[in-house]
Amino acid sequence: DSGVTQTPKHLITATGQRVTLRCSPRSGDLSVYWYQQSLDQGLQFLIQYYNGEERAKGNILERFSAQQFPDLHSELNLSSLELGDSALYFCASSASRGYIYGYTFGSGTRLTVV
Amino acid sequence: LAKTTQPISMDSYEGQEVNITCSHNNIATNDYITWYQQFPSQGPRFIIQGYKTKVTNEVASLFIPADRKSSTLSLPRVSLSDTAVYYCLVAEGGSQGNLIFGKGTKLSVKP
Repeated sequence: DSGVTQTPKHLITATGQRVTLRCSPRSGDLSVYWYQQSLDQGLQFLIQYYNGEERAKGNILERFSAQQFPDLHSELNLSSLELGDSALYFCASSASRGYIYGYTFGSGTRLTVV
Repeated sequence: LAKTTQPISMDSYEGQEVNITCSHNNIATNDYITWYQQFPSQGPRFIIQGYKTKVTNEVASLFIPADRKSSTLSLPRVSLSDTAVYYCLVAEGGSQGNLIFGKGTKLSVKP
């Protein structure tokens, strides 16, 4: 157990729908990062939050949004889902705002869009 | 962020030492070199990080030459359970921290 908790582990939904993925960072970590991993694209950085504020954006689609709550858990919202959004979504956390040392990743949420 | 280049795949046998080399020709002064391991359908796991010379922990060693344009991850006496994808990343110290993953090296350990 890495200390980063992601729910749900699996999610199957239809095209056009909206889903919410949840992440609880490791205790004491203030930064949360979201990554998408699909077979053809590898691990893609989506977005980072630090202590409730957005810090960095990567290849995140406009249909996707995220937020970090006062208790530091984060949610990734995916809307108007397409078949190509099927992927593993990972959350990672770290203690710092910028990079100092390694991230701790969760076990991921596997999203299947049918 | 400095781009990294590493072999797509490597094969080894149990008990052997495995060395995976990564090139990062455009590495900057503030950059760290970090390696992650990923098993299928699991999140990446941090292995080791270094800035220069050699770093060793209970899992692996990381060798970094003086020019820092490459690095070598060394896994001593691999076992079947070391079969995984290994990612070499260069992270800008003090940056916003968005680690950029490449394709990684798929290591297959055979009995």
